[in-house]
Amino acid sequence: DGGITQSPKYLFRKEGQNVTLSCEQNLNHDAMYWYRQDPGQGLRLIYYSQIVNDFQKGDIAEGYSVSREKKESFPLTVTSAQKNPTAFYLCASTQGDRDINEQFFGPGTRLTVL
Amino acid sequence: GQNIDQPTEMTATEGAIVQINCTYQTSGFNGLFWYQQHAGEAPTFLSYNVLDGLEEKGRFSSFLSRSKGYSYLLLKELQMKDSASYLCAVTDSNYQLIWGAGTKLIIKP
Repeated sequence: DGGITQSPKYLFRKEGQNVTLSCEQNLNHDAMYWYRQDPGQGLRLIYYSQIVNDFQKGDIAEGYSVSREKKESFPLTVTSAQKNPTAFYLCASTQGDRDINEQFFGPGTRLTVL
Repeated sequence: GQNIDQPTEMTATEGAIVQINCTYQTSGFNGLFWYQQHAGEAPTFLSYNVLDGLEEKGRFSSFLSRSKGYSYLLLKELQMKDSASYLCAVTDSNYQLIWGAGTKLIIKP
């Protein structure tokens, strides 16, 4: 079955630690995205990548980093510079490099920083 | 700035019809999406409108008026499983997706 996987579903970390969230897709999609969702708010774009070895900052990139070494994978690192990292993180992908196609989402990772 | 407005929360009765509105002000327009998101889960695609008019898909329909910057999602024959948040998103002139905050729909028996 084609789809997007994110792991783990729940993640707990101590303040000051970096943490990497994984995102893998086998849909052969070109573009991949990372969003953050806080209670009562919409999705906010952290980073996106339209092609391997290239990525762009979204609206709230500070304190985050990404890589896109393979088409299938787009890991997100939440660094200690992110002041309020506790949130629900969603990875998505879409065919093509323009946001006119349906985005497919992974199940999400809920990160709690203690 | 770019802005998408949706009601924060709506309540409806099982078996009834509900209309969720979305108004947008964006730099250009290249399509509008509706997604459904159950609590703690990922959003799933419901509909896409790029031309004016009504798109019907089973119990769900979506309407678009580009001149008014307005869309609505119409849900008929409501079921308890329709309790979820409904997210409106617009693709702007740079082909970037702008998301609304979502409307939480509560269905009562």
